[in-house]
Amino acid sequence: AQSVTQLDSHVSVSEGTPVLLRCNYSSSYSPSLFWYVQHPNKGLQLLLKYTSAATLVKGINGFEAEFKKSETSFHLTKPSAHMSDAAEYFCVVSGRKGGYQKVTFGIGTKLQVIP
Amino acid sequence: SQTIHQWPATLVQPVGSPLSLECTVEGTSNPNLYWYRQAAGRGLQLLFYSVGIGQISSEVPQNLSASRPQDRQFILSSKKLLLSDSGFYLCAWGREILYEQYFGPGTRLTVT
Repeated sequence: AQSVTQLDSHVSVSEGTPVLLRCNYSSSYSPSLFWYVQHPNKGLQLLLKYTSAATLVKGINGFEAEFKKSETSFHLTKPSAHMSDAAEYFCVVSGRKGGYQKVTFGIGTKLQVIP
Repeated sequence: SQTIHQWPATLVQPVGSPLSLECTVEGTSNPNLYWYRQAAGRGLQLLFYSVGIGQISSEVPQNLSASRPQDRQFILSSKKLLLSDSGFYLCAWGREILYEQYFGPGTRLTVT
């Protein structure tokens, strides 16, 4: 079985303060994990990915995430929020077991940045 | 570089009418292709994926079908639209299931 839980549907931060978007996963496979960002009425853009290399992953726009297998978590962080970070963020787990392939999206977290 | 196109960008169709959404990828060969639907407040739902021409896997039973007539072309269809088919449809491509996907700009479908 494979699932993704984004623990917060909405997060609100002030500009210049840290961002934390939480994601927990479960997988019977050896998964890859991703964070994507979506601005209104746009497609999704890849922020960063974990594919069994370094557990601390750095992405675009100052975002990073840490893969913690013991906690089955892959939280997204940024030290200082910018107004342009306001968007919806999706945590994704992708796995393969034998010939079966599965990708699962979280329901998304909407990030609001307050000036 | 690779690019992915979707059209139309927006579509308003009456209930019971047919549907055809097209997705094409440039700059790569033999990609995995995916169709997703994003309904308001419900995240993304994987509808279909394809690992090659004529090879389509469906994730959920529904009113929709998909076809891949060419290596870099992926089509989403319906014979008769339902109100519940409204949503934002996203096409994506990827090289392999364990790796990232690249998304198109999406099609906003409203069924009236």
